[in-house]
Amino acid sequence: AQTVTQSQPEMSVQEAETVTLSCTYDTSESDYYLFWYKQPPSRQMILVIRQEAYKQQNATENRFSVNFQKAAKSFSLKISDSQLGDAAMYFCAYRSADQGGSEKLVFGKGTKLTVNP
Amino acid sequence: DTEVTQTPKHLVMGMTNKKSLKCEQHMGHRAMYWYKQKAKKPPELMFVYSYEKLSINESVPSRFSPECPNSSLLNLHLHALQPEDSALYLCASSPRELFSGNTIYFGEGSWLTVV
Repeated sequence: AQTVTQSQPEMSVQEAETVTLSCTYDTSESDYYLFWYKQPPSRQMILVIRQEAYKQQNATENRFSVNFQKAAKSFSLKISDSQLGDAAMYFCAYRSADQGGSEKLVFGKGTKLTVNP
Repeated sequence: DTEVTQTPKHLVMGMTNKKSLKCEQHMGHRAMYWYKQKAKKPPELMFVYSYEKLSINESVPSRFSPECPNSSLLNLHLHALQPEDSALYLCASSPRELFSGNTIYFGEGSWLTVV
């Protein structure tokens, strides 16, 4: 079974600075998808960024980018120019590309990000 | 703005009550999900519907009863719940379950308190 590990329960960053959230995963599959979701105090889970494992190029979405290291099974999220609105719980998630196991998102335990003004 | 709409946003119910949570999406997605989330924990999958048919039940107690009347609607019927069932219930949808790369989109959730 796949597992996702977020080793940083909490992180903090100064406004306008850069922060990196760590995520590692364990899988025997070669094809899969990785996601970062953000959950602010409003509790809605919002997709931040997604990465297909077969793509070597790291995904980017405006101030958000990932460092995907497939061999190391690492999928970190970098937030540049941090804003107060980035404060939230961030979940790393894995989804199999195998049709038989594709229904489930496997979540890490989350990292709570605080942004200091 | 979310395109998965959940009602009610807050619900307080007694252990003998019968209530329902409702979820609606108009994105044409054919897979819909219920997740349960306790405080400071990641969401836990409860049910998956694919093309209006139940495809996954994660050994959820029968006091939770899902229903998918059509491709846009998903209900979760609640009966004889326990205080430990108090949690945030998240509905989600995705374009099609078997195309697993498709992103799962979440609603804002329904806060349930069982007293």
